[in-house]
Amino acid sequence: DTGVSQDPRHKITKRGQNVTFRCDPISEHNRLYWYRQTLGQGPEFLTYFQNEAQLEKSRLLSDRFSAERPKGSFSTLEIQRTEQGDSAMYLCASSWSGEDTEAFFGQGTRLTVV
Amino acid sequence: RKEVEQDPGPFNVPEGATVAFNCTYSNSASQSFFWYRQDCRKEPKLLMSVYSSGNEDGRFTAQLNRASQYISLLIRDSKLSDSATYLCVVNLFGGGSQGNLIFGKGTKLSVKP
Repeated sequence: DTGVSQDPRHKITKRGQNVTFRCDPISEHNRLYWYRQTLGQGPEFLTYFQNEAQLEKSRLLSDRFSAERPKGSFSTLEIQRTEQGDSAMYLCASSWSGEDTEAFFGQGTRLTVV
Repeated sequence: RKEVEQDPGPFNVPEGATVAFNCTYSNSASQSFFWYRQDCRKEPKLLMSVYSSGNEDGRFTAQLNRASQYISLLIRDSKLSDSATYLCVVNLFGGGSQGNLIFGKGTKLSVKP
């Protein structure tokens, strides 16, 4: 499968624990996006990379969230000291650079904080 | 004001109906526009890009009005398989943004037999 893959698919964690998610984009894509989605809402932008550079980070993003893309390939999203409000689906997408390119999404990681 | 706003729905329509979704965006730096479709418990997938001249793909027609900052999607002869959430998406370049994709909340469509 050469699509976007995310790992794990599901994560249950206790409040206060740290969690890390991984995204492997489509190999030729230089852009990688992270989104968070809760029930009944559209995907909420978290952050965005072009190659290894983190170009934008949402102003709404707490400093407990950090993302990396060290070699411009896979990316990790870490949430420190998780809170119940962090429970959501975390979606990763990748695309080519350019104004009119399609973003392909992974199936997401569903996080439940108990 | 949210960056991308959509009709909240849900839209419940019979098979064969024509249904229209509207979307407005607030950032004039928005450069490109899309409609994505998201099925229940699935990831979003591109339905179609939206061009200033308007574009059509089978039963689907998308329109863009840059002056009004308004995007629409028209579905003709709706099918049961069209039932999904439709997400309006803008791609921001300029004004501090360098290409991030901003999604609306989505409009849920349910097509009934």
